[in-house]
Amino acid sequence: QQQVKQSPQSLIVQKGGIPIINCAYENTAFDYFPWYQQFPGKGPALLIAIRPDVSEKKEGRFTISFNKSAKQFSLHIMDSQPGDSATYFCAASHPPFNKFYFGSGTKLNVKP
Amino acid sequence: DAGITQSPRYKITETGRQVTLMCHQTWSHSYMFWYRQDLGHGLRLIYYSAAADITDKGEVPDGYVVSRSKTENFPLTLESATRSQTSVYFCASSDRVGSYEQYFGPGTRLTVT
Repeated sequence: QQQVKQSPQSLIVQKGGIPIINCAYENTAFDYFPWYQQFPGKGPALLIAIRPDVSEKKEGRFTISFNKSAKQFSLHIMDSQPGDSATYFCAASHPPFNKFYFGSGTKLNVKP
Repeated sequence: DAGITQSPRYKITETGRQVTLMCHQTWSHSYMFWYRQDLGHGLRLIYYSAAADITDKGEVPDGYVVSRSKTENFPLTLESATRSQTSVYFCASSDRVGSYEQYFGPGTRLTVT
């Protein structure tokens, strides 16, 4: 049973577009929701993260929207660039050991 | 500052052989994790460790063994490799306090023939 469900599996947008990746969870004990970015041949790297007491967080062109009542969160990439082409993973965790439960990933292709 | 390293980066082994994947971090982080990455499954937690000599199972522990005698090292052993264990393996670490951020190594691509 997958704890975090992510969609879509793949996404193609034109440069300047706003790709949106969605995740949903069931476990209300989760208290930390990160997004990781992974380039081919590399390990995932933290992009942005949010706690459930905040409905939105922006860092540069990346925004997380969080809907606690719906148990959903999403990543928006403003003014997307070809360099944003990567695989994006959402995750969720809860104490005490900060184990991450990852979504299945979204492969984003931003066309020039 | 080396961060977190994994070795080997690539490994081909035969079914039934024992193989050990190494993970080393230089930050003295308390927590360390092993994940496997397979298409369509994202990253799945195999084992984790909260400190030296403290380890516990994750989502997919069967067929794997870990140890953590030193804070900086967290080796993962496949006791008798199977083809279903062909995957990319990532090690990660995080600190005990503050951010939950996990820092990932570059991965080991393991092929079991």
